[in-house]
Amino acid sequence: GIQVEQSPPDLILQEGANSTLRCNFSDSVNNLQWFHQNPWGQLINLFYIPSGTKQNGRLSATTVATERYSLLYISSSQTTDSGVYFCAGGSTLGRLYFGRGTQLTVWP
Amino acid sequence: NAGVTQTPKFRVLKTGQSMTLLCAQDMNHEYMYWYRQDPGMGLRLIHYSVGEGTTAKGEVPDGYNVSRLKKQNFLLGLESAAPSQTSVYFCASSFIGTGELFFGEGSRLTVL
Repeated sequence: GIQVEQSPPDLILQEGANSTLRCNFSDSVNNLQWFHQNPWGQLINLFYIPSGTKQNGRLSATTVATERYSLLYISSSQTTDSGVYFCAGGSTLGRLYFGRGTQLTVWP
Repeated sequence: NAGVTQTPKFRVLKTGQSMTLLCAQDMNHEYMYWYRQDPGMGLRLIHYSVGEGTTAKGEVPDGYNVSRLKKQNFLLGLESAAPSQTSVYFCASSFIGTGELFFGEGSRLTVL
């Protein structure tokens, strides 16, 4: 299967700071998604982004498919951004491989 | 719309017991998935279905069985539970195989 590496594994920020999370893939993917798992365990889809750049409020994501990586940017972070961020990718219909996540803690 | 609903939310089993987790989605999605999440491991795909009446193995299928008799439902069965199956189980669905994934709220299973 596809290996997915996420960095950093842990990130601690103060409110208002910006951050960049990275996801590397061992092989080409045509399906790439970012998720946020909040402290209550809910998984929310942030972006479906197999290539290019997308923005949603303070969050944006960029995928460079030819170099097999994706970046998630969080600007002006808030305490509600805390949780675990996962990226997942796949090339075979229905099979999506997840990274181990980045644990983000935002302090007030 | 409820989205993706999982039942039960919590369950404690003894080793050797059997149980079934039910996943229901009301978004008319073709694809449905069962994942398990263990500490520090991310999510791993157990089984998935590309449509009513079909199932396929994922990364960690051993010890589990699934059925998709109706398009909106995807059942995950444990025939003889083992402590290694203690985990949080997530169901998900998508419109197509490369589509956006929507998750249920998870089911926490403990096997003693």
